[in-house]
Formats: sequence, structure tokens, C-alpha cells
Amino acid sequence: GESVGLHLPTLSVQEGDNSIINCAYSNSASDYFIWYKQESGKGPQFIIDIRSNMDKRQGQRVTVLLNKTVKHLSLQIAATQPGDSAVYFCAENYDTENNRLAFGKGNQVVVIP
Amino acid sequence: GEEVAQTPKHLVRGEGQKAKLYCAPIKGHSYVFWYQQVLKNEFKFLISFQNENVFDETGMPKERFSAKCLPNSPCSLEIQATKLEDSAVYFCASSLRQGNTEAFFGQGTRLTVV
Repeated sequence: GESVGLHLPTLSVQEGDNSIINCAYSNSASDYFIWYKQESGKGPQFIIDIRSNMDKRQGQRVTVLLNKTVKHLSLQIAATQPGDSAVYFCAENYDTENNRLAFGKGNQVVVIP
Repeated sequence: GEEVAQTPKHLVRGEGQKAKLYCAPIKGHSYVFWYQQVLKNEFKFLISFQNENVFDETGMPKERFSAKCLPNSPCSLEIQATKLEDSAVYFCASSLRQGNTEAFFGQGTRLTVV
């Protein structure tokens, strides 16, 4: 029979190591991107954003890289901690007229203590 | 308020019953968005508001779904005659302004249709 449930791409990372999560976006006209973190039972939480006139932006322990040529976005988390275990989503804003976000598929990060 | 507040947290409805979900955006935010998340994965955009006016409803199913944002009241999303496939977590988000700006999400309402 069919399997039920959803298997997300999962990254298992040792505590203290760096994590890299990748995202391919769909619309070359998109000019604003956000990474969200979603913990179980909670809503998406903003991590970092980047505009299309930049190719890199750094926050606290996180870095977002944008490659517009290949429509690729990545999130790097430095010194991953147990609290970083969550599902991570990239989102693109392809219509600045209405700030509507298109979300990518989630990537699960599991931090091993 | 300082955060997007959604109620109820959980809602169970029999097939064919009505479901009504509420969202209070962050005070001062003019834009409200509703998204549907199925199976903990993809988010589907439903509708957005600029204050009490519908801004973009291209994601709303034509039948059974409706939404409002009235002055001095929480925004609401209503599903008439729920179906099993409406089971999902419904998220509301708000943003300060239009275009290229962060949207803040609520904790969601989990709707289970049985």
C-alpha cells in the first residue's frame, strides 16, 4: 500500500558543526528572499532576509548566500546548537506589489548532541 | 499586540460543518496574509488584505472559503461545509508595509476535519 506521512530532506549535524541548507527558487524576477525556521507545533519564525541586489548577508551565526544566476539560495548556520533543530523554509517574494511569499519545500535539520 | 495572535489553536469539525478561524495582526501592521500548510510542508497562499480591503485573493478556493478583516475586529477565515482535504494548519501573517518586507507569522490553527 501507499506510505503515508511526509519525508522531508533531512540534514543531521553534530552539535558545534556548521550546517548548510540549500534552496532552489523558481522565479527569476524575485527580488526579496527570506529564510524561516519552523519548530514543531509553531509558526514560521524569521531568521534572515536578503534582497536581490546583494549576494551575501550575515546575521548572528547565520549567513544567507544568493546566486541569482542559478536561482539558488543557501543558509549557513555556524556552530549548530540543539535549539537549531527545526524545519527550514526559504521563501521568495516575486510580486512586490503585494508582498506575497512563495515558499520552497522544507528542509529538516536534526542536531545531534 | 506585539505578535500575531491566532485562535483557536486547534479546531475539530465534522465533514460538512463550518469552521471559523481568527487572527489578530500585530498592531500597526496594515497587511494580513493567510496561508495553508498541509502535512507540515508546503505553504499555500490563500488571501491577503490591506487593512479591511482584500488585496489578493488569487489563492482562495472559489467555493466554501471566505475571509474578512473588519475594523476593530480580528481578521477571520471561514470555511463552509468543510471537507476532509481542508485538514491543515492555517497560518496568519502580518507585515508593516507592502513589498520586500518581513512577514510575521502566528502560531497557526490546526483544523482537523473528521
